Amino acid sequence: DAGVTQSPTHLIKTRGQQVTLRCSPKSGHDTVSWYQQALGQGPQFIFQYYEEEERQRGNFPDRFSGHQFPNYSSELNVNALLLGDSALYLCASSVSTGLLGYEQYFGPGTRLTVT
Amino acid sequence: GQQVMQIPQYQHVQEGEDFTTYCNSSTTLSNIQWYKQRPGGHPVFLIQLVKSGEVKKQKRLTFQFGEAKKNSSLHITATQTTDVGTYFCAFKTDDYKLSFGAGTTVTVRA
Repeated sequence: DAGVTQSPTHLIKTRGQQVTLRCSPKSGHDTVSWYQQALGQGPQFIFQYYEEEERQRGNFPDRFSGHQFPNYSSELNVNALLLGDSALYLCASSVSTGLLGYEQYFGPGTRLTVT
Repeated sequence: GQQVMQIPQYQHVQEGEDFTTYCNSSTTLSNIQWYKQRPGGHPVFLIQLVKSGEVKKQKRLTFQFGEAKKNSSLHITATQTTDVGTYFCAFKTDDYKLSFGAGTTVTVRA
């Protein structure tokens, strides 16, 4: 049973460019959340996708957008990259309902460096 | 909005000793979760507490939710080198958003 997978592992981009990060949830999970984790800080919630729609959004600008596909996988897009976007981007999957719905399984993350 | 403060930010522990890390909120929380992130790794879910005064144990780890549901603690006994990492508390503001504290980073002296 594969856990949450993310690609790529590392990415270096230039300021102003655009980036797409990908996530495949754990088998049986239908909900995907994205987090940004700056060095030395806790993960910050970006948004959550369920049934191919953004269900809730954190305090991130519109430059951050996402998508969820029918197979529950998800993408995070960031436009007009800023130096401050350099961080570890984590994807977490969960089930939408039931007793196990509270537990989030995190992927290994994508380390984005903006130069 | 709601947020949690974790203290201490750093915990340096002698192998074999016990320590406690705390998670405090100014408002009542409906739930509290704890995660562990090893150096270079990703957060791994440890436990969720939802009841006032709840205490749960996992081997050498004891988790507690305060009676007023405004604070939580994680106590580790007989610290081992495998306990190295950052421990985060987090809470769900509603059904969807998980808000994390800044974490307590634990190092162990052998």
